[in-house]
Amino acid sequence: DIQMTQSPSSLSASVGDRVTITCRASQGISNSLAWYQQKPGKGPKLLLYAASRLESGVPSRFGGSGSGTDYTLTISSLQPEDFATYYCQQYQTTPSFGQGTKVEIK
Amino acid sequence: EVQLVESGGGLVQPGGSLRLSCAASGFTFSFYEMNWVRQTPGKGLEWVSYIDSRGATIYYTDSVKGRFTISRDNAKNSLYLQMNSLRAEDTAVYYCATKFRNGDFYFDYWGQGTLVTVSS
Repeated sequence: DIQMTQSPSSLSASVGDRVTITCRASQGISNSLAWYQQKPGKGPKLLLYAASRLESGVPSRFGGSGSGTDYTLTISSLQPEDFATYYCQQYQTTPSFGQGTKVEIK
Repeated sequence: EVQLVESGGGLVQPGGSLRLSCAASGFTFSFYEMNWVRQTPGKGLEWVSYIDSRGATIYYTDSVKGRFTISRDNAKNSLYLQMNSLRAEDTAVYYCATKFRNGDFYFDYWGQGTLVTVSS
């Protein structure tokens, strides 16, 4: 099984900040990576797939990059509605998720 | 608008059974593959089971094989998860999730989840 390690596990940021979250796979996943946003009491929401492709309707301030084993989610200018927990998920093999990164208000 | 509404969760004793349902709307249910994914504070998100559009191909994560059964009724736009021989470690919020793209195993839409608690 492929293990996904996200960092940091939590961060504090202010509205307007640039935020970067990293996801590392235990082996290469050939850009087979999705990012989700989850708010309390809700199911996750798909943000990006194929490492960098923005899901329809998702604001362009969300971006993804990476290759091989290392991937990044960037929020270019944090908005109030972006305070949430973010998860990465690989689908190169049996799906597996990172442990999450909670983005909190500074 | 895609909507997925899970139901059937609750408190059950170890060794007991529970049947989860997921009512789908806002898309042509019979065209698409579906999944169950669960979430716990300790283990995080874990994919549980997959079923193709016709119910012909089914997969399970190893820890539930032989105990859980996924099924669907396309006439009722519904997905199910029959859970038998439940264990404490099955305690989680269970989500149904769509998989719209052939081949790529990520999840486009999720429901709000239903809580299953296995405890004596």
